[in-house]
Amino acid sequence: AQSVTQPDIHITVSEGASLELRCNYSYGATPYLFWYVQSPGQGLQLLLKYFSGDTLVQGIKGFEAEFKRSQSSFNLRKPSVHWSDAAEYFCACMEYGNKLVFGAGTILRVKS
Amino acid sequence: GAGVSQSPRYKVAKRGQDVALRCDPISGHVSLFWYQQALGQGPEFLTYFQNEAQLDKSGLPSDRFFAERPEGSVSTLKIQRTQQEDSAVYLCASSYVRGPSNYGYTFGSGTRLTVV
Repeated sequence: AQSVTQPDIHITVSEGASLELRCNYSYGATPYLFWYVQSPGQGLQLLLKYFSGDTLVQGIKGFEAEFKRSQSSFNLRKPSVHWSDAAEYFCACMEYGNKLVFGAGTILRVKS
Repeated sequence: GAGVSQSPRYKVAKRGQDVALRCDPISGHVSLFWYQQALGQGPEFLTYFQNEAQLDKSGLPSDRFFAERPEGSVSTLKIQRTQQEDSAVYLCASSYVRGPSNYGYTFGSGTRLTVV
């Protein structure tokens, strides 16, 4: 079975600073990978996805992620964080049968 | 509707009570998923429908959990004889394609179930 690991439970960055959230997956074939964001009391919103092709994918809200097969990673990045980015971020991998396997999440705090 | 709608938003149940959680997917969406999100955890798969057919129920934690989608649109997740470990947010997601989607899935805001 696939698994997704997000090593950082909490991350705090200053507003305007760059951000990188880590995600590692275990899957034998080329995975379908996703990043979602969840604000308190809200559902999950898709930020970006990787299916194939260019390993650097652009998403909404200025986020991007890079698929690195050699490291089994799909880290999320943003060059300049805004206070409104404070939320919980989930990395997910699509398993056979279309179901998503999620990591445990990383809570992002933004300090002014 | 414009999004995936779940009701109720909050549900408090006494231990042993039966509950029913409703999901209204986006109109025309073929695929529908239920996920369980415990406090401080990522969502975990419960079950998957393609139209009215329940194709995968491998994630249902016990036979107290039952899901249906009789007409291929609205889905209900029923939990019988609720226990404290059932306390979680239950998320519903839908997609208009059968296979891996280029658009991911649209999630509802969830139902927060608290069993006391």
